[in-house]
Amino acid sequence: KAGVTQTPRYLIKTRGQQVTLSCSPISGHRSVSWYQQTPGQGLQFLFEYFSETQRNKGNFPGRFSGRQFSNSRSEMNVSTLELGDSALYLCASSKDRGGTEAFFGQGTRLTVV
Amino acid sequence: QKEVEQNSGPLSVPEGAIASLNCTYSDRGSQSFFWYRQYSGKSPELIMSIYSNGDKEDGRFTAQLNKASQYVSLLIRDSQPSDSATYLCAVVGAGSYQLTFGKGTKLSVIP
Repeated sequence: KAGVTQTPRYLIKTRGQQVTLSCSPISGHRSVSWYQQTPGQGLQFLFEYFSETQRNKGNFPGRFSGRQFSNSRSEMNVSTLELGDSALYLCASSKDRGGTEAFFGQGTRLTVV
Repeated sequence: QKEVEQNSGPLSVPEGAIASLNCTYSDRGSQSFFWYRQYSGKSPELIMSIYSNGDKEDGRFTAQLNKASQYVSLLIRDSQPSDSATYLCAVVGAGSYQLTFGKGTKLSVIP
């Protein structure tokens, strides 16, 4: 059974640019959540998508957005990149919402220069 | 603000010993609790989930939950050098659909 697939694995962007990250969940999983991981802040929740709708959002600026498609694949977008956006972005997939086990992809390492 | 607290370590144990990792959480209504292992440069890997008070064993791993004390722990028996990693405690709070993570405890198993 294939795991969670995130693309690309690595990205280098310039301040002010925008970036789109992709996540394909485990087959049959309907919930996709996104997290940002930095050495100082640890893992922080960005947002959750279920049935193509954003159900929950963390405390991040509006520059961070996302969407989910009918096949449960999800994308997140960061506009007007800042140096502080450099982080590991992780996608987690779950069968359903509400406390079921979540499995992470390999992550996308974003570096903003 | 819902919080999950872990001792950052590093926690060093000799090979073959029991490693004990602890986690406390602030949201008394939390219902779902998870332990993840994260090797340096890799993504978190789910190793245990626990939902009710008591112990849950899986191989060399035992998760313990005490909701009254708002405390969850992970025991690793017969620790191996390959267990050296950062262990993340994650909690889903009452009425929530998101994981709240602790900062993680770095475990080092000395051969």
